[in-house]
Parts: sequence; C-alpha cells; structure tokens
Amino acid sequence: DIQMTQSPSSLSASVGDRVTITCRASQSISSYLNWYQQKPGKAPKLLIYAASSLQSGVPSRFSGSGSGTDFTLTISSLQPEDFATYYCQQSYSPPMYTFGQGTKLEIK
Amino acid sequence: EVQLVESGGGLVKPGGSLRLSCAASGFTFSSYSMNWVRQAPGKGLEWVSSISSSSSYIYYADSVKGRFTISRDNAKNSLYLQMNSLRAEDTAVYYCARDLEVKIVPNSYNWFDPWGQGTLVTVSS
Repeated sequence: DIQMTQSPSSLSASVGDRVTITCRASQSISSYLNWYQQKPGKAPKLLIYAASSLQSGVPSRFSGSGSGTDFTLTISSLQPEDFATYYCQQSYSPPMYTFGQGTKLEIK
Repeated sequence: EVQLVESGGGLVKPGGSLRLSCAASGFTFSSYSMNWVRQAPGKGLEWVSSISSSSSYIYYADSVKGRFTISRDNAKNSLYLQMNSLRAEDTAVYYCARDLEVKIVPNSYNWFDPWGQGTLVTVSS
C-alpha cells in the first residue's frame, strides 16, 4: 500500500503569510496527487488535482507542485478563511486511495 | 446543483448493524464510481470502500473487509453502506463522495468531488 506523509502536522501562521505544506509518498506516484481543505464540521473540499491543477472556483493564492514522491501545497498570502485542515490524497492506485494524516493550519 | 446527502447514522451497540444511504442529485449517478470515506473524531480521513458505476467492481479497506458491504441502486440514484459487526473503532463521520475521472492527456486522473455533508455513526454500549 502507498503511504502518504504530510508535514508539518500543525502550523501556526498569520494573515498575509506565505505557507507551504509538504506531502511525501512512500513510492513514486507521478502526478497523481490531490489536495483537499476541510473546515470544522464540514466535508472536505477539493483544491488541487493532478498535483498542480487548480479546481474551478478555488482562489489563485493556492498552488500545488511536485511529482514522483514529493509534493507541496502553497498558499501565497493567507486569508482568514484559509485556516483549516489540509489533506493530500494519492490517486495513483485507484480505488485504494490513501490520504495523508492532515495538516492543521492555525492562526498565530 | 451536484449534491450528495447521507443518512442513516446513529448510535449502535458493539456487534450491531447499521445501513447508511447516500442520495445523489444533479448529475448522472449511473455514470460514476462512488466511495465511502470516514473520519473518526479528531482524526484524519480514511477511505472505506468503492463501487464502480455498474457495481462490477467493489473494493474495501482491510479494516472493514468482511463486515461492510457497499451497494448502489442506479434507478434510485442511491449509494449504500451496510455495516455489520460494528466495533468502537468504527465510530466516525461517514462521507460519500463521487469519484471523478478526467483525462488529461496522456493520462487519466481521479479525485473525489463532491462530498456529502456526512453522517455520524457512534458505536458504544
């Protein structure tokens, strides 16, 4: 099974900061990597698919990069509504999709 | 509007059973694979089960294999999860999610979109 490891597990930042979250796969997954945002009590929402493609309606301050085993989600200038938990998901071996453990982004 | 709405969650004793439902609207349900994903309280997301559009292919996470059964009724635009022999560790919010497959030449990529709002299953005596 492919394991996904995110770092850090939690992160404190301020409005306006640039933030980067990392996701590492236990084997190469090419560009088969998605990113989701989840706010408390809500369902996850797709942000990025295929490692770097922005989902329609998602602000352009979100970007994704990487291929192979190492991926990053970057928020260029944090907004108040961005404080949430972020998950990566590999789709290299459907349907046995696996998620990272999550990164909780908190207000400093 | 593309929408998924789960129902059927509740409190059940260890060893008991529960059947979750997911009602789909706003898209051609019979054209898509569907998934169940769960989230234990304060924990991350865990993929549980997947079913192909025609029910030909069904997969389960090891943690639920032999206890849970996924099914669908395309005529009713509905997805189901029959959960038997429930354990305390099955306590979670259960989400249904559409499996979207898109060709970005030369490959095909999959992601989950949309998700339902979730239904809480609590296994406790």
